[in-house]
This record gives sequence, C-alpha cells and structure tokens, in this order.
Amino acid sequence: KAGVTQTPRYLIKTRGQQVTLSCSPISGHRSVSWYQQTPGQGLQFLFEYFSETQRNKGNFPGRFSGRQFSNSRSEMNVSTLELGDSALYLCASSFEAGTAYGYTFGSGTRLTVV
Amino acid sequence: AQSVTQLGSHVSVSEGALVLLRCNYSSSVPPYLFWYVQYPNQGLQLLLKYTSAATLVKGINGFEAEFKKSETSFHLTKPSAHMSDAAEYFCAVSGGSYIPTFGRGTSLIVHP
Repeated sequence: KAGVTQTPRYLIKTRGQQVTLSCSPISGHRSVSWYQQTPGQGLQFLFEYFSETQRNKGNFPGRFSGRQFSNSRSEMNVSTLELGDSALYLCASSFEAGTAYGYTFGSGTRLTVV
Repeated sequence: AQSVTQLGSHVSVSEGALVLLRCNYSSSVPPYLFWYVQYPNQGLQLLLKYTSAATLVKGINGFEAEFKKSETSFHLTKPSAHMSDAAEYFCAVSGGSYIPTFGRGTSLIVHP
C-alpha cells in the first residue's frame, strides 16, 4: 500500500513569490491535513480537508490556502512568501475526518525562502 | 481546550537502558492520545494510540504507553533502548475538536 506522497521534497523560493505543494493521501483516505513544522514553533496545524471541503483551519494568515480534489489529493498554496515561511510542510492523511484513527504523514516538503 | 506538555526536550540513555519519555495533557473531554516518532528528514510515524480501550497501549518497535487519567499522563516507555530508537518523539492529544495538539517533541539520544 503506497504511503502519503508529497511533492516536491525540497523547494527554494524568493520572498514575494508564491508556491504550491502537493499531497497524495493513502488510497481510501478521504481526510487530508496540513501542518507547518519549524524549530521555533513546533508542529502547527494549517487546515483539514474532507471530501473536498475545508473542515478546520488553523491560525495562519490568508496567504495560506488549500484545496482538495475529488480523488482526495490536496494542494496547499502560499502567496507572497516571507522569510518566516521557511519550514517543513507536512501532509497527513486519515481514513475519516477527525483524528481518532491517527494520522499517516508524508515525508514533507522542505521550503526555504531566501 | 487541550494542550500537551512533554517534559524534557532531550533525553539521553545508554543502549539497553530503559526509555521513558514523559507526556502530560489537558483536555476538557475524554481524550485520544498518540505518540509519533520522527526520524531525520522524514515525516511523523504513528507509534501507538489510546482511544479509551485498554489503558496500557502497545505500539510498534517495542514501545508502550500507559494512560493514567488521575495523573493526566501518557508516558512512553521501552524496556531496552536500541541505537535505532534515536529520533524525535511527539505526544499528541485530540479532544472534542478532533484536531490534535502536538507537544514540542523530545529528542531521544542513545549512547553505545
């Protein structure tokens, strides 16, 4: 069974640019959540999608957005990049919305903003 | 509201020694509790979870955790550390909102 696939693994972007990250969940999983991981703030919740609907959103500015497609694949977009957006972005899939089942995480996308 | 506190950002043990990683939580509703492990340059992997069944939960790689409601704790243990256990460990709590809150992580260092 394939795991959670995140692409690309590494990205270097310039301040002011925008970026799109992709996540393909485990087959059959309908819930996809996104987290930002930094040494200073730890793991911070960005958003959760279930059946193409955003069910929950974390405390991030509107520059951070996401969507989920009918095949459960998800993308997140960050516009007008700032240096502080440099982080490991993790996608997590789950069978159902909510986390009683626990997450399966991808390996992440390492974003560096210069 | 829910929160997680992991005591000790770094824990150092010798190979073969007992591993004890501490996690205390707060939750306004009966919680789900999780331990995850993260190896360098990888995502998090679920080690074990408590979902209101048995209070002693066994996970992968020989780890286990005990849910103690009176102490609001969910400490992770392993009887004998192996070099391959060196990693970052995260405790997470999920209460009524179901969106989990993660602790800041504990780095486990295993000495030969």
